[in-house]
Amino acid sequence: KAGVTQTPRYLIKTRGQQVTLSCSPISGHRSVSWYQQTPGQGLQFLFEYFSETQRNKGNFPGRFSGRQFSNSRSEMNVSTLELGDSALYLCASSLGRGASGTSGANVLTFGAGSRLTVL
Amino acid sequence: DQQVKQNSPSLSVQEGRISILNCDYTNSMFDYFLWYKKYPAEGPTFLISISSIKDKNEDGRFTVFLNKSAKHLSLHIVPSQPGDSAVYFCAASSIRTSYDKVIFGPGTSLSVIP
Repeated sequence: KAGVTQTPRYLIKTRGQQVTLSCSPISGHRSVSWYQQTPGQGLQFLFEYFSETQRNKGNFPGRFSGRQFSNSRSEMNVSTLELGDSALYLCASSLGRGASGTSGANVLTFGAGSRLTVL
Repeated sequence: DQQVKQNSPSLSVQEGRISILNCDYTNSMFDYFLWYKKYPAEGPTFLISISSIKDKNEDGRFTVFLNKSAKHLSLHIVPSQPGDSAVYFCAASSIRTSYDKVIFGPGTSLSVIP
């Protein structure tokens, strides 16, 4: 089956602009999570969506937002970009809690990421 | 505040020997732990997991040990192979409170020398 697809793979923006990243989860996966990866910081949790609802949120400013559509596809948006937002943004999907009772239902499958460079 | 810590940024091991990657956590609510492996230009891939009701889980060359009292887990790779060279992330979640919020550590870069 197809994996998690993220678009675009690479993009360059300037400070003050906004950006929208897209994620298509594995078919049947209802939970989508977003992470920011920067050198030395590992994967920082941004937020998690399930059935179009944001259920979990990390410690990022309000400039970072997201949404999930009825087909489980998700987008994240970063407004008023700053130099420090340059990072690899990873999307991951899982069966999600709605599949509780299923072993490993929160095991994440990641996409290849969107590399954002802010100049 | 880093809830999942991997204090060794890098590790080098000879091929055929054992690789031991360590991870510590601070949140006592964590009850499910996972290890992921990441190659450059790819997303992390799931390796092995362990529930807090166990203290060991094994899958082929990979074994994860959990010491709940010390809030410590480790991943053992035996024998190590050059293809194991990658960044390894420890991750944790709380099945009881926030099932799908998985917190990752900063990663350990493993180099297996032929």
